[in-house]
Amino acid sequence: AQTVTQSQPEMSVQEAETVTLSCTYDTSESDYYLFWYKQPPSRQMILVIRQEAYKQQNATENRFSVNFQKAAKSFSLKISDSQLGDAAMYFCALESNSGYALNFGKGTSLLVTP
Amino acid sequence: GAGVSQSPSNKVTEKGKDVELRCDPISGHTALYWYRQSLGQGLEFLIYFQGNSAPDKSGLPSDRFSAERTGGSVSTLTIQRTQQEDSAVYLCASSQTENYGYTFGSGTRLTVV
Repeated sequence: AQTVTQSQPEMSVQEAETVTLSCTYDTSESDYYLFWYKQPPSRQMILVIRQEAYKQQNATENRFSVNFQKAAKSFSLKISDSQLGDAAMYFCALESNSGYALNFGKGTSLLVTP
Repeated sequence: GAGVSQSPSNKVTEKGKDVELRCDPISGHTALYWYRQSLGQGLEFLIYFQGNSAPDKSGLPSDRFSAERTGGSVSTLTIQRTQQEDSAVYLCASSQTENYGYTFGSGTRLTVV
């Protein structure tokens, strides 16, 4: 069975600062994909960043980057230069290469203060 | 369409009634997924459609839940004899290929009273 754990129910960051959201996972597969999704109050889940487990290089998308530690089964999201529009629920998700269903963590609510 | 469209946006129904939730995926996306998002339960997988293949219904919580996808496009999730525990946000997503992430709709918030 695959599990995804987000241990921080809530996080807060000041505008322009950097924040890191934690995610750990468990899977017996060697090939899989990891994702971070953002869910603003509009409810629509938006893909933030994607990481292929077989790639050692950490993925980056503008102000968003990940720290992928495969041996530790850790996949944290770093948001640099935080903006008010970054306030949302953030979900970490795992998808095996042999499957298609995403396993989601419980989410972290990010508050951005001026 | 430009995105995944779900209707209705919100639905309030009486316990015991049947409801239908609709999802219109992105044109050309062969894969379609339904997820349920409940308070305290996170997101749980319900059902997966891929092209003309038989759907994976392994996530449906009971036989009161069913879904179909007509012509490889629009999908309808039906909940019969609704119960209060069915209250949740039902999210639909579609994708062109697996492992590249989905595009989600804005969901239907179902409230059973």
